[in-house]
Amino acid sequence: AQKVTQAQTEISVVEKEDVTLDCVYETRDTTYYLFWYKQPPSGELVFLIRRNSFDEQNEISGRYSWNFQKSTSSFNFTITASQVVDSAVYFCALVGGNTDKLIFGTGTRLQVFP
Amino acid sequence: NAGVMQNPRHLVRRRGQEARLRCSPMKGHSHVYWYRQLPEEGLKFMVYLQKENIIDESGMPKERFSAEFPKEGPSILRIQQVVRGDSAAYFCASSPPDSPETQYFGPGTRLLVL
Repeated sequence: AQKVTQAQTEISVVEKEDVTLDCVYETRDTTYYLFWYKQPPSGELVFLIRRNSFDEQNEISGRYSWNFQKSTSSFNFTITASQVVDSAVYFCALVGGNTDKLIFGTGTRLQVFP
Repeated sequence: NAGVMQNPRHLVRRRGQEARLRCSPMKGHSHVYWYRQLPEEGLKFMVYLQKENIIDESGMPKERFSAEFPKEGPSILRIQQVVRGDSAAYFCASSPPDSPETQYFGPGTRLLVL
């Protein structure tokens, strides 16, 4: 069975703080993909990143960085120097095996206060 | 390149009516997925279609729900005889043929059943 767990339901920080959103996944597939999506208050889903299971290199994009560790089945997302515009619900998701359907975590609501 | 288009953005129906949700994938994308997001929950897969074919409908409720992706025109998610529990946000996603696991989402349709 495939599963994605985002244990943090809600996080509140003050602007300029760094914040890490945790994601733990379960899959028996050897080939799989992990994703992060952002859902701002306006409601749309914004694609942030895709990683495949064979690439454990950490990735940085501006203030965003991702730490993929197969040994702990985790794919954590860090926002450096958070801003109010980062306030949103963030979803981690998994696609594995022969299926292309995304399995989503329950999301982490991030509130960044000025 | 326009993104995934969904319409209507908001839909209000009375119990027992039919709801039709439309999705036009990104240009060049041949895979369409529908997901449902119940209030305060993550997204759940419903159905995966390619042109004129349903590939995976394992997430579709057994009754009242149907989906199609005709040769011409948008994909349609149809809900017959709606009930209050159908109130949710319905998201469509599309992906290119060479990377079907990477899904880009539309803005969603918010269905409210009175």
